[in-house]
Amino acid sequence: NAGVTQTPKFRILKIGQSMTLQCTQDMNHNYMYWYRQDPGMGLKLIYYSVGAGITDKGEVPNGYNVSRSTTEDFPLRLELAAPSQTSVYFCASTRALRDKNIQYFGAGTRLSVL
Amino acid sequence: AQKITQTQPGMFVQEKEAVTLDCTYDTSDPSYGLFWYKQPSSGEMIFLIYQGSYDQQNATEGRYSLNFQKARKSANLVISASQLGDSAMYFCAMRERTYNTDKLIFGTGTRLQVFP
Repeated sequence: NAGVTQTPKFRILKIGQSMTLQCTQDMNHNYMYWYRQDPGMGLKLIYYSVGAGITDKGEVPNGYNVSRSTTEDFPLRLELAAPSQTSVYFCASTRALRDKNIQYFGAGTRLSVL
Repeated sequence: AQKITQTQPGMFVQEKEAVTLDCTYDTSDPSYGLFWYKQPSSGEMIFLIYQGSYDQQNATEGRYSLNFQKARKSANLVISASQLGDSAMYFCAMRERTYNTDKLIFGTGTRLQVFP
């Protein structure tokens, strides 16, 4: 059972570089999310998607972009990386139901921008 | 706006004892859901337990139970018979749902340390 798979697990970027964090899920979930977790803090929502072709901003979208061309994949793009984007990034997915929305998380990507 | 508050940055408990992790919430929606997640040192987020606002009974999942007090807007996690493997960060979260979105709002977390 793969669940939610994130790649890479670790990455070091130089200031100004770009990269894409990959996320794929095999549970046929309609909703997918990207969060960031700064040291000692909770999770903050960056972007989310309610289905293929539909994305929307979360709490902290600046400096990021997303796309959702398929149900399975939800990549997160960092353009012009900055030290403030040093964080752990989590992807999550759920089949949003009327009475419950349990999000299942990937293992995370630890990103350092130096 | 919905809000989740966890006031305990850290908690200590002796092995085999019970511990309560506090969570209060604020919402004007009559229908909502509350969640607890565990984050061990390895970093992954693990779903523990869910409570719906209309559920008549407190949720239980093995050694985890949720002490849901609707009038006080609290949803405390109770871990019975603590184990060394329970040492982790614990996050409380609340569902925020509108006509075109369905999200979780997370608290800042409580670090639990279980000692022998």
